[in-house]
Amino acid sequence: AQTVTQSQPEMSVQEAETVTLSCTYDTSESDYYLFWYKQPPSRQMILVIRQEAYKQQNATENRFSVNFQKAAKSFSLKISDSQLGDAAMYFCAYRNTGNQFYFGTGTSLTVIP
Amino acid sequence: DAGVIQSPRHEVTEMGQEVTLRCKPISGHNSLFWYRQTMMRGLELLIYFNNNVPIDDSGMPEDRFSAKMPNASFSTLKIQPSEPRDSAVYFCASSLFGTGGEQYFGPGTRLTVT
Repeated sequence: AQTVTQSQPEMSVQEAETVTLSCTYDTSESDYYLFWYKQPPSRQMILVIRQEAYKQQNATENRFSVNFQKAAKSFSLKISDSQLGDAAMYFCAYRNTGNQFYFGTGTSLTVIP
Repeated sequence: DAGVIQSPRHEVTEMGQEVTLRCKPISGHNSLFWYRQTMMRGLELLIYFNNNVPIDDSGMPEDRFSAKMPNASFSTLKIQPSEPRDSAVYFCASSLFGTGGEQYFGPGTRLTVT
């Protein structure tokens, strides 16, 4: 079974600085998808960024980018120019070709003004 | 699109009562997921459906929990009888199977069982 590990339960960053959230996963498959979701205090789960495993290029969405290392099974999220609104719980997720999703335990990000 | 719709948003009930949570997935999506989120256990997958058929219900805690998807636009999660340990936020999510599509989550139902 696939597993997703987020080893940082909590992280903090100074406003306008950069922070990287870690995620590793375990799989024997070669084709899959990876996601980062954000859950602010409102509880709404919001997709931040996605990455297809067959793509070598790292995905980027404005201030959010990933470092996808397929061989190492690592998928970290970098947030640049952190803003107060980035404060939230962040979940890493893995999806296999069978449409099964696996979520990590989350990293709580605090942004310090 | 209105997104995934869940009702009710909040539910407070007494132990032993039946609770029914409802979900309307995004139109055109053919996969639907039910999750439970608590501080202690995080986000847990309870069950998921493809084309209205339950594919994996191994996450359903016990026989008190049941889920149905009578058609492509509606699903229910029922707890009977409810217990205080069922208190949690329950999320419904939908996606389009066969693509690399992400899951779209509803706003969740906060259930409190007293």
